Amino acid sequence: NAGVTQTPKFRVLKTGQSMTLLCAQDMNHEYMYWYRQDPGMGLRLIHYSVGEGTTAKGEVPDGYNVSRLKKQNFLLGLESAAPSQTSVYFCASNDRGPNEKLFFGSGTQLSVL
Amino acid sequence: DQQVKQNSPSLSVQEGRISILNCDYTNSMFDYFLWYKKYPAEGPTFLISISSIKDKNEDGRFTVFLNKSAKHLSLHIVPSQPGDSAVYFCAASISSGSARQLTFGSGTQLTVLP
Repeated sequence: NAGVTQTPKFRVLKTGQSMTLLCAQDMNHEYMYWYRQDPGMGLRLIHYSVGEGTTAKGEVPDGYNVSRLKKQNFLLGLESAAPSQTSVYFCASNDRGPNEKLFFGSGTQLSVL
Repeated sequence: DQQVKQNSPSLSVQEGRISILNCDYTNSMFDYFLWYKKYPAEGPTFLISISSIKDKNEDGRFTVFLNKSAKHLSLHIVPSQPGDSAVYFCAASISSGSARQLTFGSGTQLTVLP
């Protein structure tokens, strides 16, 4: 069972470069999320989607864009990377209903120099 | 201002003893609470949850207690095992909007010593 798959696992960018992080889930979940984890800060929500074709801002959306063209995929884009975006990024998904149990991918370590 | 706080960055416990991880929250609108466990180089995995209508939920060696008046929850692990060594995040949510957004604490690194 693949669950939630994130690519790439590691990436180093120079300031100003752009990149896209891909998240794919095979559980037919409606909701998908992008979080970032920074030391001493826990996980903070960047953007989320409640279904195919929808996106919404989370707690720290600035500098990021997202797209959900297919139900199973949720893309996170950085148009012009900044050192403050150095972080570990986690994608997660879950289904509708009262159960908030999230299924996470294994993360992407991004360093912006 | 962090709405969910885990004030202990780390905790060490002897194998076989009880581990108690604490979490405090400030937003009285939170009505659902969860604990996640995270091993290095892996994503967090769900451990146990509790609704605000309960004060205790148990699942095997793991028990979560909720004290709404004190806005405090705790995770008890009995007995602790070396495989429990991980970072534990508490999270809280509010039943509003089209998706329940989770607010996470900063995590507590639990080390269980053999």
